[in-house]
Amino acid sequence: KNQVEQSPQSLIILEGKNCTLQCNYTVSPFSNLRWYKQDTGRGPVSLTIMTFSENTKSNRRYTATLDADTKQSSLHITASQLSDSASYICVVSDRGSTLGRLYFGRGTQLTVWP
Amino acid sequence: EADIYQTPRYLVIGTGKKITLECSQTMGHDKMYWYQQDPGMELHLIHYSYGVNSTEKGDLSSESTVSRIRTEHFPLTLESARPSHTSQYLCASIAKEDSGNTIYFGEGSWLTVV
Repeated sequence: KNQVEQSPQSLIILEGKNCTLQCNYTVSPFSNLRWYKQDTGRGPVSLTIMTFSENTKSNRRYTATLDADTKQSSLHITASQLSDSASYICVVSDRGSTLGRLYFGRGTQLTVWP
Repeated sequence: EADIYQTPRYLVIGTGKKITLECSQTMGHDKMYWYQQDPGMELHLIHYSYGVNSTEKGDLSSESTVSRIRTEHFPLTLESARPSHTSQYLCASIAKEDSGNTIYFGEGSWLTVV
């Protein structure tokens, strides 16, 4: 069964600190992996998209890594800000169907304290 | 910024009422989706569409229906709302060629059935 597991489920850090969120998946055949940020009561917003051949991709203070061999991805947030408080969702796409099926993790709820 | 819009954002209706949630995108995307998301939980696919006159049911059993008469418009209808339908509904779209393109989400429609 194709699955996407994220850890930790929730995380509290102090403003200015760094943190790393994890995403493990069993989706096969793998197409790409996306990280999304979802503020409470809002729709998810894209942070990064990583394909099979990409190991690292950065977007401002967000750096995503992908190890397609171990089927693991991480999202590293540098110098956290209060506005980083949100749910971070890992989304994996397969290429076994014409739809390009999307598999969602439950998200990591990040809270940044002043 | 995403050009995908959902209305209404918030709605409280009585049991047995009929409701249509609207979703429109101006990006010319062929693929559109409806997801249901309960607080703190992952997104569940309830309907999707490849293009005009193409609609399919997703993973999560739903008593809702959808239509795709125009590329830009993908409304979701509940013929008879029940309290179990209380949830957040997210509409999304993506360009047809999914080679790592961004999935754009609407802001969501929060439905409460009393």
